[in-house]
Amino acid sequence: DAMVIQNPRYQVTQFGKPVTLSCSQTLNHNVMYWYQQKSSQAPKLLFHYYDKDFNNEADTPDNFQSRRPNTSFCFLDIRSPGLGDAAMYLCATSREQLRETQYFGPGTRLLVL
Amino acid sequence: KQEVTQIPAALSVPEGENLVLNCSFTDSAIYNLQWFRQDPGKGLTSLLLIQSSQREQTSGRLNASLDKSSGRSTLYIAASQPGDSATYLCAVSGTGNQFYFGTGTSLTVIP
Repeated sequence: DAMVIQNPRYQVTQFGKPVTLSCSQTLNHNVMYWYQQKSSQAPKLLFHYYDKDFNNEADTPDNFQSRRPNTSFCFLDIRSPGLGDAAMYLCATSREQLRETQYFGPGTRLLVL
Repeated sequence: KQEVTQIPAALSVPEGENLVLNCSFTDSAIYNLQWFRQDPGKGLTSLLLIQSSQREQTSGRLNASLDKSSGRSTLYIAASQPGDSATYLCAVSGTGNQFYFGTGTSLTVIP
């Protein structure tokens, strides 16, 4: 049974056209994360929510925003995608904190034309 | 800033061999270290989590060790199988409530 679900699996957008990626979880975990992973690179943490508390990494561009309307859902908004934003975007959850096992979704592959 | 390094970047072994993947980190002040598996174009699957107070964790054919003082962890895979082919990533969580990944080791097990 899928525990962390990401939609869509593949997203194509145009340069500068806003795009939203979604993540949902059935684990009832408090913490949700968004990572960006470019080809052959390590996943890079963009931000995370501890319940409703939003935590932005210092080097996450302002172009990236996130929303968590409830425990189950979290969205990644890219306001004006550039060619450099093409990547795999991974959503993950953990029960309480970063110190616990993270459960990842399958990822959304974003292509910017 | 924490830096996580995984060597080698790629590894090919014949089926049945035992193998060791390496992970090193520069700041020993960590809360835990996790090993993940990533199949091509897919998300990450958590394999093992070692708390900073632990020395090793085992799951089936996998054994992960942690030497925090030297900044090293190893993932031992016994009797490798073609289905083990994937990229293996380690990640450490630090005192700054951050999470750092290595770039991974791409493993190919040849039938």
